[in-house]
Amino acid sequence: DAGVTQSPTHLIKTRGQQVTLRCSPKSGHDTVSWYQQALGQGPQFIFQYYEEEERQRGNFPDRFSGHQFPNYSSELNVNALLLGDSALYLCASSFWWPTGSLYGYTFGSGTRLTVV
Amino acid sequence: AQTVTQSQPEMSVQEAETVTLSCTYDTSESNYYLFWYKQPPSRQMILVIRQEAYKQQNATENRFSVNFQKAAKSFSLKISDSQLGDTAMYFCAFNNNDMRFGAGTRLTVKP
Repeated sequence: DAGVTQSPTHLIKTRGQQVTLRCSPKSGHDTVSWYQQALGQGPQFIFQYYEEEERQRGNFPDRFSGHQFPNYSSELNVNALLLGDSALYLCASSFWWPTGSLYGYTFGSGTRLTVV
Repeated sequence: AQTVTQSQPEMSVQEAETVTLSCTYDTSESNYYLFWYKQPPSRQMILVIRQEAYKQQNATENRFSVNFQKAAKSFSLKISDSQLGDTAMYFCAFNNNDMRFGAGTRLTVKP
């Protein structure tokens, strides 16, 4: 049973460009959350997708957008890249427990984005 | 909004000894989950231990145990018989509708 798969593993982009990162959730999971992790810091919540809609969003500008497909996979798009966007981007998949809480949080290995 | 605070940026421990990592959180929710994750240099976030807020009994997983104090909003991780492979970043996390992380504690286990 494959876990969470993220692609690419590493990426170098130029300031002002746009980037798309991809995430395939663990089998049986229907919710995808994205995080930005700067070097030496904790992951910061970007947004969460469920039923192909953005359900929750952290404190990130509109340059960060996403999408979820019918097969539950997801993309994270970042426009007008800034040097400060350089970070490890983590994807986590999960599912909703009947109690109304997210369960089974599983992380991918991340995409290391470097903006030059 | 929920916040998670880890006040120890770095810690070290001798192999085979015990170490405790601290975490406090702030929330108005009554039903939530707390986690400790380990992130080695490989970048993979690995679940160490999980605690449901409605359970008074502290969770235990082999050498890892927690001290959950709901009223104080405190959730510390104790690692017993530390091993070299425990060297990693450790993150405390709060989960209600989404997962929020602390800034992390870098733990080094010395031989």
